[in-house]
Amino acid sequence: ETGVTQSPTHLIKTRGQQVTLRCSSQSGHNTVSWYQQALGQGPQFIFQYYREEENGRGNFPPRFSGLQFPNYSSELNVNALELDDSALYLCASSAGLSYNEQFFGPGTRLTVL
Amino acid sequence: GIQVEQSPPDLILQEGANSTLRCNFSDSVNNLQWFHQNPWGQLINLFYIPSGTKQNGRLSATTVATERYSLLYISSSQTTDSGVYFCALRYSGGGADGLTFGKGTHLIIQP
Repeated sequence: ETGVTQSPTHLIKTRGQQVTLRCSSQSGHNTVSWYQQALGQGPQFIFQYYREEENGRGNFPPRFSGLQFPNYSSELNVNALELDDSALYLCASSAGLSYNEQFFGPGTRLTVL
Repeated sequence: GIQVEQSPPDLILQEGANSTLRCNFSDSVNNLQWFHQNPWGQLINLFYIPSGTKQNGRLSATTVATERYSLLYISSSQTTDSGVYFCALRYSGGGADGLTFGKGTHLIIQP
């Protein structure tokens, strides 16, 4: 059974650029959630995708957007990068919605200069 | 939204000691998970425990949903137990469908 994978592992961008992060869900899981973890903080929920539709969203602006594909993999897109977007971005998958156990990938560390 | 408070924020122990980490929350939940975050950032699942008691080796957890708290017990600590422990939960009343995390307990086990 393959776990949650994310790519790339590290990324450096400059302010104003756009970035796309990718996540493959664990085998058998149809729900993907994205989280942002700033240094020294707990992860914060960005949004969740279930059956290719956004199913819930945290307190993040519209320049954070996403997609889920028929194979349940997902992308997180961030436009107009700001310095404060520097963080570890974590993807989690679950079989169904968030009341089911979530399993996390290793994360993508984004640095915005 | 639901509030999550973890205590203590920092804990330094000698190898072999036992510890109890606490998670208090402000409302009813239908998902509560404990994670260990390693130095590379990976969140490792310890327990899925919206209610009841579970044990896995040297670790055990208890959630008393009616009193809105959960406890994580670590016995006979090893240096590899060092890291940040997070409690994360989901409010059962609906709304944004992700997990809400506490600020974590930073545990250091000294040899």
